[in-house]
Amino acid sequence: DAGVIQSPRHEVTEMGQEVTLRCKPISGHNSLFWYRQTMMRGLELLIYFNNNVPIDDSGMPEDRFSAKMPNASFSTLKIQPSEPRDSAVYFCASSPHGRTEAFFGQGTRLTVV
Amino acid sequence: GENVEQHPSTLSVQEGDSAVIKCTYSDSASNYFPWYKQELGKGPQLIIDIRSNVGEKKDQRIAVTLNKTAKHFSLHITETQPEDSAVYFCAASLTPYNAGNMLTFGGGTRLMVKP
Repeated sequence: DAGVIQSPRHEVTEMGQEVTLRCKPISGHNSLFWYRQTMMRGLELLIYFNNNVPIDDSGMPEDRFSAKMPNASFSTLKIQPSEPRDSAVYFCASSPHGRTEAFFGQGTRLTVV
Repeated sequence: GENVEQHPSTLSVQEGDSAVIKCTYSDSASNYFPWYKQELGKGPQLIIDIRSNVGEKKDQRIAVTLNKTAKHFSLHITETQPEDSAVYFCAASLTPYNAGNMLTFGGGTRLMVKP
């Protein structure tokens, strides 16, 4: 199993540009999570999907952030417009049905200049 | 919501010594407490977890203890090795069994094992 796959691994963009982060969860997992990691705030949960449906998005910072999961094997996190304070490492994680362990991807390091 | 505090933020030990990392949580309803290890440039990886109906769990050199009354839990690593050097995160969540769980993480502990 290839694990959770995130792309790109690194993204550098200019302030105001749209950024799209991508995630492919582990096959058969039905829960998907987007986390953000910064030095100041640590690891924060942004949004949680179960069976492709957003269950809790209370962690999404503001309307500039949006996430979708069109099918069981793909999710996106979009930031539009991006700001320097969005610079962070964004992780996607997935969990199988009935299990509590979350498997994390390698993360996308986003730098907004 | 849940709040998880983790101490210390950095920990340096000599190879072979033990390391202990402590966490406290605020929501008495939380019932699942995993520990993750994050190596440089990688995502967090689960190393051990414990549920609220268990007081202690051990897996080779690592063990976790939970005190529900005091709302704190700890990670113990014995006979530390240089490859144990990493950032360790505790987390807490309320786990509905028909869905995934939303983890609240502690701030992390950077463990350095000196050879």
